[in-house]
Amino acid sequence: QKEVEQNSGPLSVPEGAIASLNCTYSDRGSQSFFWYRQYSGKSPELIMSIYSNGDKEDGRFTAQLNKASQYVSLLIRDSQPSDSATYLCAVNPVGGSGTYKYIFGTGTRLKVLA
Amino acid sequence: DADVTQTPRNRITKTGKRIMLECSQTKGHDRMYWYRQDPGLGLRLIYYSFDVKDINKGEISDGYSVSRQAQAKFSLSLESAIPNQTALYFCATSSGNQPQHFGDGTRLSIL
Repeated sequence: QKEVEQNSGPLSVPEGAIASLNCTYSDRGSQSFFWYRQYSGKSPELIMSIYSNGDKEDGRFTAQLNKASQYVSLLIRDSQPSDSATYLCAVNPVGGSGTYKYIFGTGTRLKVLA
Repeated sequence: DADVTQTPRNRITKTGKRIMLECSQTKGHDRMYWYRQDPGLGLRLIYYSFDVKDINKGEISDGYSVSRQAQAKFSLSLESAIPNQTALYFCATSSGNQPQHFGDGTRLSIL
């Protein structure tokens, strides 16, 4: 089992719809969770950080964390063609200053159709 | 100005050449990382450093070396480049359990 798993996609949604991206992780002790957006050939750009169970909203983006089920998701409301990119899930297995590890999934490619 | 700056942005070189990729940051973060990204393989950690005197191997360090010249500078060297080191290279920084911040990347091609 991979440490952080994402469906590679592509996930295609029509413009204006909600895009739902999912990520599961294997380390039950994980404390910090991040979503990055990466356009082709560009660097990963942080979209959301989430540290506790529940939902966290920022504009059109909502991150959802369920530690009991070991998954984290990203919802994009009112999807726009400019949201078309690869979305990377990253997990920091142990919180605090004692760890280096940020485990990245291989990403889900999202296509928003105009 | 970018908080994490990588130079060069693009480099084409020949097999056997020594190459250095440089990273500098103005974020004041103590931790710095080097990753490579290949299509379909995601980000793979090469080396990381928690401070100037701390250097650690990541999952794919063979064929690479690093130097942390100052808290703000972390360079990656390929001593004798080979074609399968052709990839997109990213430097990242972080502090504590906060998210990593990435530079714009270096596209490296080895012929």
